Amino acid sequence: QQQVKQSPQSLIVQKGGISIINCAYENTAFDYFPWYQQFPGKGPALLIAIRPDVSEKKEGRFTISFNKSAKQFSLHIMDSQPGDSATYFCAASNAAAGNKLTFGGGTRVLVKP
Amino acid sequence: DAGVTQSPTHLIKTRGQQVTLRCSPKSGHDTVSWYQQALGQGPQFIFQYYEEEERQRGNFPDRFSGHQFPNYSSELNVNALLLGDSALYLCASSLVGGSNTGELFFGEGSRLTVL
Repeated sequence: QQQVKQSPQSLIVQKGGISIINCAYENTAFDYFPWYQQFPGKGPALLIAIRPDVSEKKEGRFTISFNKSAKQFSLHIMDSQPGDSATYFCAASNAAAGNKLTFGGGTRVLVKP
Repeated sequence: DAGVTQSPTHLIKTRGQQVTLRCSPKSGHDTVSWYQQALGQGPQFIFQYYEEEERQRGNFPDRFSGHQFPNYSSELNVNALLLGDSALYLCASSLVGGSNTGELFFGEGSRLTVL
C-alpha cells in the first residue's frame, strides 16, 4: 500500500516559471516531511524539509506548504532554472518508528530555457 | 567532510548469484539505512542498522541481509539473485538523537544489473 502519493509524474515549465508538486499521505503518525532532488545517476539529495507544527517553510527559491488537516504537502519551485531539471521525491517519516522514510513515486521536472 | 560513500558503483551479476554492497556513512553518523530504487520509482526501505543490529526492516525477503561494523560502515548482501533485484541500491546515514532527527544523507548508490 502506497502511503505517500505524489503528483504529477512529470511536468514541463518554462525558465522563470513556477513548478508545483503535490503529495498526500495517509499515516497521521508521520512527523517529518522532506523533499529530495535526484539527478540522473546520482543519489537523492535533501532539498528542504518541514515538520507538522508549521504550515510553510521557505529556503531560497524552494517553499514547502503543509496542510495537516488535509494530510497534504507541496513543493513550490519559484523562478525555475534549467539546472532545476531533475526528479523530485517527497517523503515522510515518523521519529518514533526510527525515521524510516516512505517515498512518493517521484516527479520528473524539465525546465525549458 | 566525506559524505556517504558506496561501492561498487556498478556491477553485473547473473541469476542465482550472490552480491555484497558496501557503505561508509557520513562522518559523525551512527545509523545506516538501505533502500532499493527500481528504475523510475521512489526508493523503498530495506532495513536500518544501529549499534550493529538490524533495528527496522521493510517488506523484503530474507534473501536480503546486512551487517554493520563497529566503525558504523555497513554491508548489504543479496542471495539467490532474481531479475527483479536489478535496481539502484542506496545507502543513507543519519545520527540517532541528532538535532535534525530524521535527516538522512544518501550516497550515490550501487547500480546492480541481474542478467
